[in-house]
Amino acid sequence: AQRVTQPEKLLSVFKGAPVELKCNYSYSGSPELFWYVQYSRQRLQLLLRHISRESIKGFTADLNKGETSFHLKKPFAQEEDSAMYYCALVFILTGGGNKLTFGTGTQLKVEL
Amino acid sequence: DSGVTQTPKHLITATGQRVTLRCSPRSGDLSVYWYQQSLDQGLQFLIQYYNGEERAKGNILERFSAQQFPDLHSELNLSSLELGDSALYFCASSPRVTGALDTQYFGPGTRLTVL
Repeated sequence: AQRVTQPEKLLSVFKGAPVELKCNYSYSGSPELFWYVQYSRQRLQLLLRHISRESIKGFTADLNKGETSFHLKKPFAQEEDSAMYYCALVFILTGGGNKLTFGTGTQLKVEL
Repeated sequence: DSGVTQTPKHLITATGQRVTLRCSPRSGDLSVYWYQQSLDQGLQFLIQYYNGEERAKGNILERFSAQQFPDLHSELNLSSLELGDSALYFCASSPRVTGALDTQYFGPGTRLTVL
């Protein structure tokens, strides 16, 4: 069964420090992974997806199939990065539907 | 603002009752997804509808049901409510049914409290 693990419930860093939010997955097929972010009192929104290999707000994530990881990184944390971050794996179901399996989330707190 | 709307914002009810949560997808999106977010279970996929038809089912209880109407809005019906059903219920929408790479656009959620 597919599974997403985010081992850290809370990560606290100082402004300007590097950030790495860990995500490990378990999936028998070829994974499609996403990072979603939820800022305080706002709705969940897509941050980035691995297929795009893009950098959003300075964040990047590389899929490592050998380690089954998709860690989210940013070289220099900003105060506005404080939010809840969810790693998610998309799973195509029989019948053509699809669903996102989310990790439990990591609360990132950037301190001055 | 993602364009996905959900009503009501908050709902407080008693055990044994039945409630209906409503979701309007982004204009043009045909798929609607429902998720439940609780402290102990995290974010859990419940069900997906595409253009009026159920297409994927997750950890949805038999006491829960959903439907998508011709105008593409969706309703999640929760019955025989229990204390453990207290959670934040999110709706999301995307353009296609199997668009695995499609972004899902989330609504603000409905917070359900069962007393």
